[in-house]
Amino acid sequence: EVQLVESGGGLVQPGGSLRLSCAASGFTFRTYWMHWVRQGSGKGLVWVSSINSDESTRNYADSVKGRFTISRDNAKNTVHLEMNSLRVDDSAIYYCVRGGWYEMLSWFDPWGQGALVTVSS
Amino acid sequence: EIMLTQSPGTLSLSAGERATLSCRASQTIRFNFLAWYQQRPGQAPRLLIHGASSRATGIPDRFSGSGSGTDFTLTISGLEPEDFAVYYCQQYGDSSYTFGQGTKLEIK
Repeated sequence: EVQLVESGGGLVQPGGSLRLSCAASGFTFRTYWMHWVRQGSGKGLVWVSSINSDESTRNYADSVKGRFTISRDNAKNTVHLEMNSLRVDDSAIYYCVRGGWYEMLSWFDPWGQGALVTVSS
Repeated sequence: EIMLTQSPGTLSLSAGERATLSCRASQTIRFNFLAWYQQRPGQAPRLLIHGASSRATGIPDRFSGSGSGTDFTLTISGLEPEDFAVYYCQQYGDSSYTFGQGTKLEIK
């Protein structure tokens, strides 16, 4: 069974940092694009960042560019999202999602259960 | 960036009825790379449809997708109690991966 499990969420003050991790299992992790998508409380889904299989391509939404860094460890089947200079409007549930098999333009499936990030003083 | 507009915002129907959800794009979606997701309260989204009309693995055949270019539709024939949820469309024809704002399907 394909599974994605996020960890690392929590409460952080504005300007602070947090690192989310996502442990993948049940598929050949190193061959897939991976993404992070977030959802503010009562709001819709917003794509945040993507990374390809060998880390040679990383993409970011304009709202997080320069503050967030996506990375992966194919030996440990994990993907990370390093979040710096956090703002109140970064508060959201962050979902780890599998993308395409060596393909950037693909649907998102499956989704992890999400990690809650709250930025507040 | 491609903008996606879903309508209606809320749809009130009864079990057994047919639901028709719309997703309109601000420009043509390449290769009809359009997906639909279902999100039940307190749960992560779940893929229903990809490529505008291909059902994902394990999705019941009462769910169907159609459309091309800029206009897409998700149809749910014979609503079951577990279908009342929020539905999102998403384009993956470019790397901005934009989502619509969602349609809430509620019990009438």
